[in-house]
Amino acid sequence: DQQVKQNSPSLSVQEGRISILNCDYTNSMFDYFLWYKKYPAEGPTFLISISSIKDKNEDGRFTVFLNKSAKHLSLHIVPSQPGDSAVYFCAAVKSGTYKYIFGTGTRLKVLA
Amino acid sequence: DAGVIQSPRHEVTEMGQEVTLRCKPISGHNSLFWYRQTMMRGLELLIYFNNNVPIDDSGMPEDRFSAKMPNASFSTLKIQPSEPRDSAVYFCASSLFGANTEAFFGQGTRLTVV
Repeated sequence: DQQVKQNSPSLSVQEGRISILNCDYTNSMFDYFLWYKKYPAEGPTFLISISSIKDKNEDGRFTVFLNKSAKHLSLHIVPSQPGDSAVYFCAAVKSGTYKYIFGTGTRLKVLA
Repeated sequence: DAGVIQSPRHEVTEMGQEVTLRCKPISGHNSLFWYRQTMMRGLELLIYFNNNVPIDDSGMPEDRFSAKMPNASFSTLKIQPSEPRDSAVYFCASSLFGANTEAFFGQGTRLTVV
């Protein structure tokens, strides 16, 4: 039972354009969401997060949008750079449990 | 701080052998997580500890898997006996319990069971 789903296993984008990565979740009790980036042979590193009391959080080129009614979040990267090429995982957690549930990941390739 | 430290980075073992993966969390963190990465399931949570106490081990696939945290600075994940289907990358992560915050991951152990 996959509570956090990333339905696109891969995505290719031209350098300078926008990358949009999507994530859906099924458990309405989740109230904190995170995006991680993972390069080959390295551990995932934290990128950006959002609390369920917000619908948008921005950090430089990265913006996360949360649509609670649709149980959907997305990560926008603008402009995309070749160094952004990595696997991106979304994660969700219910406050008080600290049990981070991850999706299956989306491999982003930014073409120069 | 050196971050979360895992050892070994790579492990190749024969089916039936015991395998022990090790993790040193970030100093001061009081939550520790073991994840397994596979193509099919992504990052799968196996078990997590708060203040050295196992809180949720529902993700541990079988009795062949066990995890311990004898003190705040060390944890092990043991597989006995190992099987080829256990081949995966195993990650340890730690975080600070008590606030919405991110978990910090180690570099992982790539396990191959032949």
